[in-house]
Amino acid sequence: AQKVTQAQTEISVVEKEDVTLDCVYETRDTTYYLFWYKQPPSGELVFLIRRNSFDEQNEISGRYSWNFQKSTSSFNFTITASQVVDSAVYFCALSETSGVDKIIFGKGTRLHILP
Amino acid sequence: NAGVMQNPRHLVRRRGQEARLRCSPMKGHSHVYWYRQLPEEGLKFMVYLQKENIIDESGMPKERFSAEFPKEGPSILRIQQVVRGDSAAYFCASSPGGGVYGYTFGSGTRLTVV
Repeated sequence: AQKVTQAQTEISVVEKEDVTLDCVYETRDTTYYLFWYKQPPSGELVFLIRRNSFDEQNEISGRYSWNFQKSTSSFNFTITASQVVDSAVYFCALSETSGVDKIIFGKGTRLHILP
Repeated sequence: NAGVMQNPRHLVRRRGQEARLRCSPMKGHSHVYWYRQLPEEGLKFMVYLQKENIIDESGMPKERFSAEFPKEGPSILRIQQVVRGDSAAYFCASSPGGGVYGYTFGSGTRLTVV
């Protein structure tokens, strides 16, 4: 069964610091997809990234970067030079391709960026 | 091309009433998923539907909850005889065909039971 674990419930950092959000997943599939979503205080879900299991290249988008390590089943998310607007809950998620194709979320990490 | 439309955005119901939440998927998307987010918690999968079919309802409570996705019109999540514990944000997502295509989420419906 698929499972996503975000061990960090809540993190606080001072603005301009770098911060890494951890995500560990479990799946028996060889083909699967990993996602990160942001939920700001306004409540909507903002899509950040989708990565398939065959693409282990790290991804960088502005201040955001993702480190996919298949060997440790991790898909960590780093924010460089954090800003107050990054304050939100961040969800890691997984969808498998065998069986029922649905997306399962971790419990989320609440990130506070302090001015 | 409008995104996933959910309405209403906010819904207040008294205990014992019925709640109907609507979700119009993106154009061309035939897969719809419903999730529930209790206060201060993550998103829990409820049900996955394709047109006129329930594919997976393993996350949906057995009583009082039902979902449909008719041939025409939006998907409906229906909660009968609501209780205070049903107060939550309900999100709908749509996809043309699952993870390989990604999922688009609506803005959610915040249900408050008083």
